[in-house]
Amino acid sequence: DQQVKQNSPSLSVQEGRISILNCDYTNSMFDYFLWYKKYPAEGPTFLISISSIKDKNEDGRFTVFLNKSAKHLSLHIVPSQPGDSAVYFCAASSNFGNEKLTFGTGTRLTIIP
Amino acid sequence: DGGITQSPKYLFRKEGQNVTLSCEQNLNHDAMYWYRQDPGQGLRLIYYSQIVNDFQKGDIAEGYSVSREKKESFPLTVTSAQKNPTAFYLCASRGRGPSNTEAFFGQGTRLTVV
Repeated sequence: DQQVKQNSPSLSVQEGRISILNCDYTNSMFDYFLWYKKYPAEGPTFLISISSIKDKNEDGRFTVFLNKSAKHLSLHIVPSQPGDSAVYFCAASSNFGNEKLTFGTGTRLTIIP
Repeated sequence: DGGITQSPKYLFRKEGQNVTLSCEQNLNHDAMYWYRQDPGQGLRLIYYSQIVNDFQKGDIAEGYSVSREKKESFPLTVTSAQKNPTAFYLCASRGRGPSNTEAFFGQGTRLTVV
């Protein structure tokens, strides 16, 4: 049972435009969400997170939006740069701190120069 | 430098042998995790530990075992009972409290059964 889903396996975006990556979840107990970026043969690196008490969080070119009623979150990258080409994972947990951290299947983002 | 270290980076195992993957962190994190990545499958949780001497099964624990005798160490043993062990294995750690809720990952170990 996949509790965190990323339905788009891949996405291509032109350099300078906005990249929007989507994530859906089914467990209403999730209250903290994270986005990670991963290059091949490396560990994921943390990008940005959001608590369920917020609906938006920004950090530079990255913004995460959370729609709790729809159980949906999205990551916006603007403007997109060639270095953003990677696999992006969303993750969710049900408490601050040490709860089980569940990941989605990932979306491969390719930025076209 | 604080961080999380996995070793070795590449590991080859003969069928029927057990093998242990190392994960060490000096971030003083309470929680540690093991994930497995296969193409198109994302990161699947094998085991996690919230505190020393305690751990819980994740979604795909069969054929794996772990121990947490020290806060900084969380080794994973891939046993001969694991039917398809060839994969990329990732270890992570995470602290407590609202200011420490991101997980930090190691660089991974690629295990190949030959």
